Amino acid sequence: AQKITQTQPGMFVQEKEAVTLDCTYDTSDQSYGLFWYKQPSSGEMIFLIYQGSYDEQNATEGRYSLNFQKARKSANLVISASQLGDSAMYFCAMRGRTDSWGKLQFGAGTQVVVTP
Amino acid sequence: DSGVTQTPKHLITATGQRVTLRCSPRSGDLSVYWYQQSLDQGLQFLIQYYNGEERAKGNILERFSAQQFPDLHSELNLSSLELGDSALYFCASSVGDNLGNTIYFGEGSWLTVV
Repeated sequence: AQKITQTQPGMFVQEKEAVTLDCTYDTSDQSYGLFWYKQPSSGEMIFLIYQGSYDEQNATEGRYSLNFQKARKSANLVISASQLGDSAMYFCAMRGRTDSWGKLQFGAGTQVVVTP
Repeated sequence: DSGVTQTPKHLITATGQRVTLRCSPRSGDLSVYWYQQSLDQGLQFLIQYYNGEERAKGNILERFSAQQFPDLHSELNLSSLELGDSALYFCASSVGDNLGNTIYFGEGSWLTVV
């Protein structure tokens, strides 16, 4: 079975600083995809970034980058130059063939609070 | 705005009742997913449809059912509601269900059972 682990329940970060959110995963699939989503207090789930297991380069989307270390089975999200609007819950998720391509398995999430 | 539309946004209903949650996927997306988010269970996959056919099933209770219509919108029916069904229900969609297809979520439907 697939499993996503986010070990940081919450963290504070100062505005303009970079923050790294940890995510480790466990799967027997050779092909899989890793996603990060942001959930503000309003509740919506916002897609941030995607990394495929065979992608050779780490994914980047604006201020978001994914530090993908396949051998360690980790997919950490790095947010550069934090802004107050980055305060939210962040979820790491993966999909793989074992559970069907359609299903996203989510971690427990990390609550980020950005302070001025 | 993800392009996935869910209605209603908020719903309060009594135990034993039945409700229907509606979802319109992003234009061009054939896959629709339903997820439940609760404080104790986190985000749980319920069910997926692809172009009208059920594709994958997760931890969906027998009291719950879903379908995807020819115009690709989907409905999630929740019956004999219990207090524990109170949760945020997400609909999501993707163009297909290949590995790299991004799954976009709607804003969710907040269900409160009293």
